[in-house]
Amino acid sequence: AQSVSQHNHHVILSEAASLELGCNYSYGGTVNLFWYVQYPGQHLQLLLKYFSGDPLVKGIKGFEAEFIKSKFSFNLRKPSVQWSDTAEYFCAVKDSGGGADGLTFGKGTHLIIQP
Amino acid sequence: SAVISQKPSRDICQRGTSLTIQCQVDSQVTMMFWYRQQPGQSLTLIATANQGSEATYESGFVIDKFPISRPNLTFSTLTVSNMSPEDSSIYLCSVRSGSANEQYFGPGTRLTVT
Repeated sequence: AQSVSQHNHHVILSEAASLELGCNYSYGGTVNLFWYVQYPGQHLQLLLKYFSGDPLVKGIKGFEAEFIKSKFSFNLRKPSVQWSDTAEYFCAVKDSGGGADGLTFGKGTHLIIQP
Repeated sequence: SAVISQKPSRDICQRGTSLTIQCQVDSQVTMMFWYRQQPGQSLTLIATANQGSEATYESGFVIDKFPISRPNLTFSTLTVSNMSPEDSSIYLCSVRSGSANEQYFGPGTRLTVT
């Protein structure tokens, strides 16, 4: 079975700091990768996704992520965070080779941006 | 993207009772999913519900405990049966829409079992 590891459960940054959230997955086959965000009191929203092609993908609100196949990683980055980025961030993976249809999620990273 | 609504948004239930959660989508979708998010935990897939077929349950989840209906392409229900405090969670409906593997989530149903 697949597993997804998010290295940081709680991250506290000041505004304008750079952000990188780690995500590693266990599956060795072809995968689709996702980052979701859950703002306080809101439901999960898709930040960005990787299916194939350019391993550097850009999402909404200035976020980007890089797929490094050799490292089984899909780290989320943002050059300069804002207070409004305070949220829970989830990395998720799906086996695109005909395996389970649902997503396997990491435990999430609670990001707090201090003004 | 798809717009998903769930009812109820939250409920407090007594142990031993059952609760049915409804999920409505604003467009026709083939694949619908039910997830659980226990306090402080990540999302765990309960089952996949395709219209016209039996739901497919993940390891650790059984139909007797979590019966699912999928009567059409825009609607599904999840019932949490014979509830215990361990069932206290947020239950989320999700659909696959647009791109082949893009999933969207509903607002969730926060269930507390006393």
